[in-house]
Amino acid sequence: GESVGLHLPTLSVQEGDNSIINCAYSNSASDYFIWYKQESGKGPQFIIDIRSNMDKRQGQRVTVLLNKTVKHLSLQIAATQPGDSAVYFCAETYNQFYFGTGTSLTVIP
Amino acid sequence: DGGITQSPKYLFRKEGQNVTLSCEQNLNHDAMYWYRQDPGQGLRLIYYSQIVNDFQKGDIAEGYSVSREKKESFPLTVTSAQKNPTAFYLCATRDRPNEKLFFGSGTQLSVL
Repeated sequence: GESVGLHLPTLSVQEGDNSIINCAYSNSASDYFIWYKQESGKGPQFIIDIRSNMDKRQGQRVTVLLNKTVKHLSLQIAATQPGDSAVYFCAETYNQFYFGTGTSLTVIP
Repeated sequence: DGGITQSPKYLFRKEGQNVTLSCEQNLNHDAMYWYRQDPGQGLRLIYYSQIVNDFQKGDIAEGYSVSREKKESFPLTVTSAQKNPTAFYLCATRDRPNEKLFFGSGTQLSVL
């Protein structure tokens, strides 16, 4: 199966700082990548996606960067807020989706 | 969540019992999926269906069964053959290939 991993299992940031969550993927054929946010006891929520023909995509307070050379994906959250506290995980897909284990983000007020 | 309803939110299974988890969607999506989530692990695919009356095994299908008689519904049965059923189960849908998955709110299954 695919291997989709995250560099750090936990991340703590001060409110107002920027957060960076990283993800490594293994299948160079993967052509679509997604970041999800999951709060405790709830289903994952879509944050942002990027296709392999792009290097960067921005949303509201979030940016996803894709480095195909080293098979690395990152999620940047600007001006992190307490409501951003959750588990974030990446997903890659070629034929099927493969999911990372997640990074738990804690925002310190 | 929005448009995908999973029920019940919590479910308890006794030894030797089959239990069924419900997933209903009003998004008019063709593809539906069941994933299992265990602490510290990524989501693992149990079964998926790309069209009514057709479904395929995922990576961990043993001990589970599904049906897809209607476009809106994709119930998952956890059979007594699944010896370690305690997990958070997520149903998802997708509109078109190579598009994002939409997830339901999940069902937590525990063993009594």
